[in-house]
Amino acid sequence: SQQGEEDPQALSIQEGENATMNCSYKTSINNLQWYRQNSGRGLVHLILIRSNEREKHSGRLRVTLDTSKKSSSLLITASRAADTASYFCATVRGTGNQFYFGTGTSLTVIP
Amino acid sequence: KAGVTQTPRYLIKTRGQQVTLSCSPISGHRSVSWYQQTPGQGLQFLFEYFSETQRNKGNFPGRFSGRQFSNSRSEMNVSTLELGDSALYLCASSPFQGSNTEAFFGQGTRLTVV
Repeated sequence: SQQGEEDPQALSIQEGENATMNCSYKTSINNLQWYRQNSGRGLVHLILIRSNEREKHSGRLRVTLDTSKKSSSLLITASRAADTASYFCATVRGTGNQFYFGTGTSLTVIP
Repeated sequence: KAGVTQTPRYLIKTRGQQVTLSCSPISGHRSVSWYQQTPGQGLQFLFEYFSETQRNKGNFPGRFSGRQFSNSRSEMNVSTLELGDSALYLCASSPFQGSNTEAFFGQGTRLTVV
């Protein structure tokens, strides 16, 4: 079963607006990562935030992590039509590369 | 640098058959993981290999197996296929086994069981 839940399940916005997705997880983690998936293809890594970090930026992406609430958020600023995709959070526990993925948020950016 | 290559991209098999999927990781990457993605269950971890050894295994029946070769290429095998095995199978590679590394995913193999 999945490790976490994401909300909203689907999000539709106009180009230029900001998009915020939330992820909640259940157990302690080493890090949390966000991935993007375009229509049934492979996942592309977006950003990794370690458990001792609270916020991280990469270009138009901003990720926050609150380990006390076991939650994370991904903010995409000034969205573009090319950002249309599904976004997944993934948590990593232990020392391996075993990822536990959330349920995903389907983002549609309307030109 | 070539990415993660999965072959074949698409497969159609009949119930009861077996199937073998292949994954070639990024050159120099020694960790390979496999995931199953279905609309109902989402992305679920199958297993992880590092230096030819299975390091972790997800909650899947014994019909799902895998292996990793000395060149880090990996295969996964599903025997006695069931309709519910229809899914996108994704392979991911990482340079080493460590919890703070990103994974690089292939485009997946779309398996349809009829």
